[in-house]
Amino acid sequence: DTEVTQTPKHLVMGMTNKKSLKCEQHMGHRAMYWYKQKAKKPPELMFVYSYEKLSINESVPSRFSPECPNSSLLNLHLHALQPEDSALYLCASSQVTPRVLFFGSGTQLSVL
Amino acid sequence: QQQVKQSPQSLIVQKGGISIINCAYENTAFDYFPWYQQFPGKGPALLIAIRPDVSEKKEGRFTISFNKSAKQFSLHIMDSQPGDSATYFCAASEYGGSQGNLIFGKGTKLSVKP
Repeated sequence: DTEVTQTPKHLVMGMTNKKSLKCEQHMGHRAMYWYKQKAKKPPELMFVYSYEKLSINESVPSRFSPECPNSSLLNLHLHALQPEDSALYLCASSQVTPRVLFFGSGTQLSVL
Repeated sequence: QQQVKQSPQSLIVQKGGISIINCAYENTAFDYFPWYQQFPGKGPALLIAIRPDVSEKKEGRFTISFNKSAKQFSLHIMDSQPGDSATYFCAASEYGGSQGNLIFGKGTKLSVKP
């Protein structure tokens, strides 16, 4: 199984809502990532977990809160988002080294 | 020094033609150069990758050419098909390096006309 599964595929939320994005992989990868991608732009790194511990936080606002419950699951909790946070949110996984990234299909988020 | 410069921004090719996308980098510590293909509404998928100890790698219709001295690499798509229409991102990183140092180019939107 070489798949990274993300749910939901689409999400519309208001600025006062709390929602969560979920990501799952069964490739035995011990590094997992959240990326944000705006239209016509490359993915931008948000967070990296290595062995279930947060290893990189690219100065992301606190309204985004990642969580790694176990080696197969990665969540991104969303609260009080702004319209400019509307984007495609991508999860990826890799071996710790070498870092060949496998991406999920993403969650298309719209903040109203 | 962390940038990867990609060109062209968009490319239109007739079916059966050759699509060529170019990338250049500055950081000589980079030693892994993947290309990702992304269809609308989908995540990027690894297409092909190369390490600088080889000058060319071919997988089916897709070929990476690598010029270490010029710090440039390119993707060639032979016999381009409408199904190849997608956005292509080159990237660079250190193969055994720390997480988070995968640097993407800005992307090339390829349209293959029937």
